[in-house]
Amino acid sequence: DTAVSQTPKYLVTQMGNDKSIKCEQNLGHDTMYWYKQDSKKFLKIMFSYNNKELIINETVPNRFSPKSPDKAHLNLHINSLELGDSAVYFCASSQSSGNTIYFGEGSWLTVV
Amino acid sequence: DAKTTQPPSMDCAEGRAANLPCNHSTISGNEYVYWYRQIHSQGPQYIIHGLKNNETNEMASLIITEDRKSSTLILPHATLRDTAVYYCIVSFPSGGSYIPTFGRGTSLIVHP
Repeated sequence: DTAVSQTPKYLVTQMGNDKSIKCEQNLGHDTMYWYKQDSKKFLKIMFSYNNKELIINETVPNRFSPKSPDKAHLNLHINSLELGDSAVYFCASSQSSGNTIYFGEGSWLTVV
Repeated sequence: DAKTTQPPSMDCAEGRAANLPCNHSTISGNEYVYWYRQIHSQGPQYIIHGLKNNETNEMASLIITEDRKSSTLILPHATLRDTAVYYCIVSFPSGGSYIPTFGRGTSLIVHP
């Protein structure tokens, strides 16, 4: 069984659209993250969600909004997609902040 | 910002030991050193972590200097499948808002 799973794996969409990426972890962790990896391969934290407390990276545009229906899920919703949003988005989880992080396989988003 | 610095790239011959250095001169007393790697087109994968003592597992060994300002990840017998980007991060296990931050890592190429 996949520990951290993301869907879709690939997503091609037009500018201005709204899209969501779903993430689920079956590890029983209480902390989940979203990271963005752009074409330069820099892995940048976007959000951390720990026991209903959302920690937002201030550099992330408010077009990005994480939604966590429960501790096992952290979905990423993106409004008004822009070309610069094209990247690989990784979901991850850990037991409490700062412990070993388990990553999903990534969601490749291409905005055209 | 990442609290670690790593060489951008290294190479190693197959079957030889790969020694990947990491500087973390501002590490706090309660921060662990974690190593992850990212094989092309996959999610980052946990390798090993340590606080003060050297650590070894089935994947690698971690050597931390006595002053804890630097560490070395050792892959004892590198294979072609070890070609990846290796990330060294410092992390403080907590239930709070600690956000693990990745730097640019070291791109290791293992050649035949």
